[in-house]
Amino acid sequence: EAQVTQNPRYLITVTGKKLTVTCSQNMNHEYMSWYRQDPGLGLRQIYYSMNVEVTDKGDVPEGYKVSRKEKRNFPLILESPSPNQTSLYFCASSPGTSGYEQYFGPGTRLTVT
Amino acid sequence: GQQLNQSPQSMFIQEGEDVSMNCTSSSIFNTWLWYKQDPGEGPVLLIALYKAGELTSNGRLTAQFGITRKDSFLNISASIPSDVGIYFCAGLWPGGSEKLVFGKGMKLTVNP
Repeated sequence: EAQVTQNPRYLITVTGKKLTVTCSQNMNHEYMSWYRQDPGLGLRQIYYSMNVEVTDKGDVPEGYKVSRKEKRNFPLILESPSPNQTSLYFCASSPGTSGYEQYFGPGTRLTVT
Repeated sequence: GQQLNQSPQSMFIQEGEDVSMNCTSSSIFNTWLWYKQDPGEGPVLLIALYKAGELTSNGRLTAQFGITRKDSFLNISASIPSDVGIYFCAGLWPGGSEKLVFGKGMKLTVNP
């Protein structure tokens, strides 16, 4: 089944403890992206990647890192999480090198205390 | 960051009614997309529009790419209870950065 998977789906952590949220897609998509969703703010793009080893900042990149060492995986790294990073995070992928027709994962709900 | 202005923010309708929502921007977009998000799930793509003036249907859904390239609308005809959810418009930023910009969403409630 063609899909975008994220792990973990739920995570509660403490301020400053490094964490990684994994994202994987099995559709051979070039483009991958991370978003956070907050009440009243909608979906905001954190980082995106048009291809392996090519990443760029979205609208809210501060406090996040990403890497794209292989096509199918695009992990999101929070080196030192803070409570304002408590949010619902979505990974998405898209065929081609542009952001057309993005397909979203099921989401990761992160709480930082 | 740039965001799209989506209206209305919420709607309560009776089953069988039609519903219309739109999205506007002060900037031109080359692609407009409409997504639906069910509770506890990621957004799912409903319709993609690539050309100014384009009108596209997907079952009971119809969407149009505004002729000025600064707006788009989505219509749902003969609503059913499973239409409940949050509907997002999104525009592909034309500056060559391949960024996708989202509206804040429209929450639809359908009363049976």
